Amino acid sequence: GNSVTQMEGPVTLSEEAFLTINCTYTATGYPSLFWYVQYPGEGLQLLLKATKADDKGSNKGFEATYRKETTSFHLEKGSVQVSDSAVYFCALPGSGGGADGLTFGKGTHLIIQP
Amino acid sequence: NAGVMQNPRHLVRRRGQEARLRCSPMKGHSHVYWYRQLPEEGLKFMVYLQKENIIDESGMPKERFSAEFPKEGPSILRIQQVVRGDSAAYFCASSPLGQGDTEAFFGQGTRLTVV
Repeated sequence: GNSVTQMEGPVTLSEEAFLTINCTYTATGYPSLFWYVQYPGEGLQLLLKATKADDKGSNKGFEATYRKETTSFHLEKGSVQVSDSAVYFCALPGSGGGADGLTFGKGTHLIIQP
Repeated sequence: NAGVMQNPRHLVRRRGQEARLRCSPMKGHSHVYWYRQLPEEGLKFMVYLQKENIIDESGMPKERFSAEFPKEGPSILRIQQVVRGDSAAYFCASSPLGQGDTEAFFGQGTRLTVV
């Protein structure tokens, strides 16, 4: 079935540093890919998505490019802020094409220090 | 437009009691998903419902767990005879269509603690 592997955390960076959070996937076909963010005590919010190969999703300075050659969807940001501290989840539809919801990675806890 | 509303936010139950978790989807959304998040883990799919129908419950334990989404009112996730291992955060998500391509909107979750 579909699966996601993302880098383990926590990832600790200084403010204004460059961020990369790696995500690779295994899937049948070319499903949409998502990044969700979870702030402390909150639910998940969609950060960005890409629906087909070579698409780039972007939002709030974050970017991720759907690369089918490497089956990757790495999250990047050029200059992180303290307010970016959160847990980030890479996700794709389950093997049932959405009937079985989304399959999430384990999450990467990002800590940004001032 | 209110977001996905879950209640209660926190729920404490003794072993053997029943837990009822409620989810009101966003207005106009007829697709509801329930997920469970264990500490240090990602979310795991439990069940997908549309109004009055269970579409996929492949992620839900066969015993003690049930879910419904009646014609009127919120979706309910029910856990009977809770055990310590049921302690987790339970999230509900709703979408106007299935979750394959469209954004899912998540509630703030119910954190269940079994003592």
